[in-house]
Amino acid sequence: ETGVTQTPRHLVMGMTNKKSLKCEQHLGHNAMYWYKQSAKKPLELMFVYNFKEQTENNSVPSRFSPECPNSSHLFLHLHTLQPEDSALYLCASSQTLAGGEGEQFFGPGTRLTVL
Amino acid sequence: QKEVEQNSGPLSVPEGAIASLNCTYSDRGSQSFFWYRQYSGKSPELIMFIYSNGDKEDGRFTAQLNKASQYVSLLIRDSQPSDSATYLCAASGYSSASKIIFGSGTRLSIRP
Repeated sequence: ETGVTQTPRHLVMGMTNKKSLKCEQHLGHNAMYWYKQSAKKPLELMFVYNFKEQTENNSVPSRFSPECPNSSHLFLHLHTLQPEDSALYLCASSQTLAGGEGEQFFGPGTRLTVL
Repeated sequence: QKEVEQNSGPLSVPEGAIASLNCTYSDRGSQSFFWYRQYSGKSPELIMFIYSNGDKEDGRFTAQLNKASQYVSLLIRDSQPSDSATYLCAASGYSSASKIIFGSGTRLSIRP
């Protein structure tokens, strides 16, 4: 596996379900990110982890719970979601948090549908 | 509220012509600017980044930055059908990529 991988690629869940999204980066990067992409809306930054410590929570509802056990893995735990949470969830990583050269590499995303 | 604004399009350009994509940003503290390309159903991939006022060229792509006007653009010369995608503009402060703000994207269509 190379780059940034995400599983599952597609997920359909009911509002009472609990599920988790997984992201793994094989690039040796130190920073990882969760983004939400909804139709016709800008990419929304959700969480940032640097050296597995959370450095940013962009006012995300508590029904989304991130976990970063190490610099290579990032999870997003989901529970009691709402239909408006249906979106493409993208994971990204970058070598450092330095914005000037902080190219982010994105995973393929998980297409989430909440019924 | 820090924002990055883009015309959603679609922008239709004939094959071989120059495609011009524009972006404005509200935060004067923004230092770094990125253009990502996103094909339908795929994730964004970085095309170019620019920090300094003026032009930066890379193959068929030229990024232009005017900090006084808070304006960034991307020119694609000799447009190809494979350039048809959504182009995302993003801005960040120099000190932390975690503050990167994305625009909603411009959909570009290259017609044969």
